[in-house]
Amino acid sequence: QSAVTQPASVSGSPGQSITISCTGTSSDIGAYNYVSWYQQHPGKAPKLMIYGVINRPSGVSDRFAGSKSGNVASLTISGLQAEDEADYYCTSHIPNNPYVFGSGTKVTVL
Amino acid sequence: QVQLVQSGTEVKEPGASVKVSCKTSGYTFTSYLIQWVRQAPGQKPEWMGWIFADSGDTRYSPNLQGRLTITRDTAASTAYMELSRLRSEDTAVYYCAREKVGDAGFDPWGQGTLVTVSS
Repeated sequence: QSAVTQPASVSGSPGQSITISCTGTSSDIGAYNYVSWYQQHPGKAPKLMIYGVINRPSGVSDRFAGSKSGNVASLTISGLQAEDEADYYCTSHIPNNPYVFGSGTKVTVL
Repeated sequence: QVQLVQSGTEVKEPGASVKVSCKTSGYTFTSYLIQWVRQAPGQKPEWMGWIFADSGDTRYSPNLQGRLTITRDTAASTAYMELSRLRSEDTAVYYCAREKVGDAGFDPWGQGTLVTVSS
């Protein structure tokens, strides 16, 4: 499976909305809805924020929303808050194949 | 609530093996996959493999095939990850996580186990 690419960094001011992209290919992200997003604060375990492209686990704020268009999945954070400052990773999965983590995006709240 | 609690920090010499445990509680152990993911310092997470807790079926990353063994003890609701022939590049935090079959979302994660490989 090919690499999954994310922007190295995204920043925004409190209250703003930001979007993180996750670019794959027509064989992975473009073909399947197995895209998940994880938030990771320094020294902590990752936390699932979105699975199946658009689904939010119980307890995750509705300020987080996932979407997909073609070979690109996106995570939008609305009403940006200081606590959202973290690293974010997407994953792409083709059934019966390895899971692939994206390159990661550092979100900075200005 | 659902919890995954991992065993503690390990320091190993090159060539040795390490076995990390992941004790689960708060859900039906045999209804889910247990995933293993590692993260080297400053790097992105790397998927290692999974075990279906019911059948014991496993799947491993091609990068680790031959060195990685994932097992489980259903009576203890615990999964294990054993990595052999350790080298310095295996130094990382190792995580277990639960996955509902077909969801492709890992939730929740264990707290992580630091494994340092050094002579």
